[in-house]
Amino acid sequence: KAGVTQTPRYLIKTRGQQVTLSCSPISGHRSVSWYQQTPGQGLQFLFEYFSETQRNKGNFPGRFSGRQFSNSRSEMNVSTLELGDSALYLCASSLRVPAIEQYFGPGTRLTVT
Amino acid sequence: TQLLEQSPQFLSIQEGENLTVYCNSSSVFSSLQWYRQEPGEGPVLLVTVVTGGEVKKLKRLTFQFGDARKDSSLHITAAQPGDTGLYLCAGYRNQGGKLIFGQGTELSVKP
Repeated sequence: KAGVTQTPRYLIKTRGQQVTLSCSPISGHRSVSWYQQTPGQGLQFLFEYFSETQRNKGNFPGRFSGRQFSNSRSEMNVSTLELGDSALYLCASSLRVPAIEQYFGPGTRLTVT
Repeated sequence: TQLLEQSPQFLSIQEGENLTVYCNSSSVFSSLQWYRQEPGEGPVLLVTVVTGGEVKKLKRLTFQFGDARKDSSLHITAAQPGDTGLYLCAGYRNQGGKLIFGQGTELSVKP
């Protein structure tokens, strides 16, 4: 069974731009969670989707948004990028909710210059 | 304030040594997971513990969940260079309904 895939793997953007990251969960998994990982803050929860509905949201500004499609694929969007948004963005899928056991993708490394 | 405190943050040891990583909290978790992450990759789930006092073994790795379900430990016997990586504990609380991660322990095992 294929694992969680994330595209793109690497991205360089300029301050003020916006970016969309994509995640395809493991086949059959309907829950998708997004995390931001930085050296200083570690893994911070962004949001979780299940059956196209946002179940939970972390403490991030409204510039961070996401959605899930009927095939469980998910996207997250960051608008008006700031330098501090540079991070590894990880997507994780889970077979059921609550999403206790999560399976992570390789992440998207976003660099904002 | 970090809900899950991991210690130590960094650990550099020689091949063959034993080590223990701790994950502590003042909160009760319904389950706790340990992940290992290598550079440039996402975390990989190693184990889930759900019962207070539970001990699980995975080859040379032993995981323990505290009786009160507030803490956990990961013990590695005879560490090998392939054990090098970032070890993360993550706890699930029914209140809030999300996984909370510790800051991680960066382990380096030198040949």
